[in-house]
Amino acid sequence: NAGVTQTPKFQVLKTGQSMTLQCAQDMNHNSMYWYRQDPGMGLRLIYYSASEGTTDKGEVPNGYNVSRLNKREFSLRLESAAPSQTSVYFCASSEVASGRDSQYFGPGTRLTVT
Amino acid sequence: KQEVTQIPAALSVPEGENLVLNCSFTDSAIYNLQWFRQDPGKGLTSLLLIQSSQREQTSGRLNASLDKSSGRSTLYIAASQPGDSATYLCAVANYGGSQGNLIFGKGTKLSVKP
Repeated sequence: NAGVTQTPKFQVLKTGQSMTLQCAQDMNHNSMYWYRQDPGMGLRLIYYSASEGTTDKGEVPNGYNVSRLNKREFSLRLESAAPSQTSVYFCASSEVASGRDSQYFGPGTRLTVT
Repeated sequence: KQEVTQIPAALSVPEGENLVLNCSFTDSAIYNLQWFRQDPGKGLTSLLLIQSSQREQTSGRLNASLDKSSGRSTLYIAASQPGDSATYLCAVANYGGSQGNLIFGKGTKLSVKP
């Protein structure tokens, strides 16, 4: 039981390049989330998927797109990376999106945009 | 808008001390409050989740309390050990807004000296 896995662990991009961050969970959770963590800002929600087939914007969605590929997988895409997107990205999952249960986090992807 | 504040930002204690970490939030309309631990370069590990109807939760040497009316939570760590050194994050799940969205504090960085 691996929990929440993320790939890649590290990535360096040039401004304007695109990339997709992958996330998968094996806990049969319905809801999945993407957060970013910046020094001095704490973690902020980018997008979430309450259930398979649905996605919604969080607090800081600009510059990102997401895909809920199936119940297990939720990807985050940067179409044209900017230095302001340098951050650590965390994927999380929970059984439901009601806010009533725990969220489980992956190990993170450390992204640098030059 | 919900805001979560953690005090102190950093704390250094000798091994064996009992200590308290504080978390305050501005909107008492919450589903639950979670305490997480984050080790350097790692993801978040859920420590305790307190539902809004509960007053406290305990796990081993950890005890978390919740006073919704005053917008406060404390995480008590008994007999601290060097292995407890990490950043501790508090997060609340709000009614309304993005479903399941956790609002995080900026964390307390704990260092336990041998």
